[in-house]
This record gives sequence, C-alpha cells and structure tokens, in this order.
Amino acid sequence: KNEVEQSPQNLTAQEGEFITINCSYSVGISALHWLQQHPGGGIVSLFMLSSGKKKHGRLIATINIQEKHSSLHITASHPRDSAVYICAVRSDTSGSRLTFGEGTQLTVNP
Amino acid sequence: DTEVTQTPKHLVMGMTNKKSLKCEQHMGHRAMYWYKQKAKKPPELMFVYSYEKLSINESVPSRFSPECPNSSLLNLHLHALQPEDSALYLCASSLSPVGGGDRPQHFGDGTRLSIL
Repeated sequence: KNEVEQSPQNLTAQEGEFITINCSYSVGISALHWLQQHPGGGIVSLFMLSSGKKKHGRLIATINIQEKHSSLHITASHPRDSAVYICAVRSDTSGSRLTFGEGTQLTVNP
Repeated sequence: DTEVTQTPKHLVMGMTNKKSLKCEQHMGHRAMYWYKQKAKKPPELMFVYSYEKLSINESVPSRFSPECPNSSLLNLHLHALQPEDSALYLCASSLSPVGGGDRPQHFGDGTRLSIL
C-alpha cells in the first residue's frame, strides 16, 4: 500500500461543477502539499498545509490530521483547471523528501 | 512564468553523448532538488543539495552526475544514458532544507529528455 493514496485517479467534470479530490496518507507528517501539473510539465505549488484550511481564489484545501486526510476543492470549475493534481507529504522522518501520490487527472469540459 | 528556470526545454541525445541540464533560481533558496518523472507517474527524487552540498542521493546511477557550483545554479551532467532514462527532469528549490522549517518547493518547467 502506498503511503499516499489519492482518489479518484481520473475525474471528468462539466464547466461550473464543484470538484473534490481526496488524499489519504498513512504516516505522521510535518506538512502536506497540493501541486498542479499541466500537460506541458511544469509543476505549480498550490498549497502547503499542516492544519485546518486554506483558500486561494476558487481553490480550497483542507486537512484533518487525526484522520490523516486532505481534500482539494475547486469551485466553479473551468476548462483551464484541467491538469494533474498531486498530493505530496513530508513525513516526520523523511528529511527533505516528499512522498507523492499518483495524481488525479482532472478534465473540465466546456 | 516560473521562478525556477531550466534549460534546455527539450533534449535529444544518443547513448554515447555527454550533455548537461541546467537549473537556475534567484530567490535565495538554499535547497535544490532534481527529480525524474516518467509519463503518468509522480516525480521521483534523485538528488538534494543543501547549502551547495549534496545531502541526498537516492541511489542514482553514476551516469547522472549532479553539480551545484553556487547557491543559484544546479547542473545535472549526463553521460552514457540508456533509453529507459528518457523522461521529464524537474528541478525544484525551497527556501530552506530540513531544520529550517517546512517550505514549499518551487518547480521549474522541466527538461524533456529523449535518449535514442
């Protein structure tokens, strides 16, 4: 079992829909990151969380440390949100290393 | 626009060639990373430099040779690569390595490498 599990693996939505991507992890962590990767390859760091909730524009990230679970929400989705969303954690014992989930491929249709 | 600049964006090389990938950041970050990413897979950590010193080598074959000439530059020297080394190579940086608090990693756009 991977230390970081994401669901779903693939998600197709219509423009305007509310989207949720989930991430569960099995280790103690110091921080959880949500990353976005567009087809061109570059990765953008969306959020870094160690507790609670963060919001940036239409994106909201939450984390429940006790349940070892995080969610990324996108409100009023748009075709430009189509990308791979990756959850990554820095565990208490991993030093500089991030452990990545397999990613969620999101496609938003107009 | 990314604050971490990688060159070249694309590289095609033969198995006997020697080439280098370059990564540059001017954010004052003291930790720099090389990742390898195969299609539809998450990035895999290769190397970490902390204050210009190699701190992590994830058992990467010696045909990959990293170099950090100064705090803004990170190179990856390539020699005698194999076809399975074809991948996207991503560079990242963060404000501080472990011990200085957790900081987000800033990624470059990557170099797409093809080995013939």
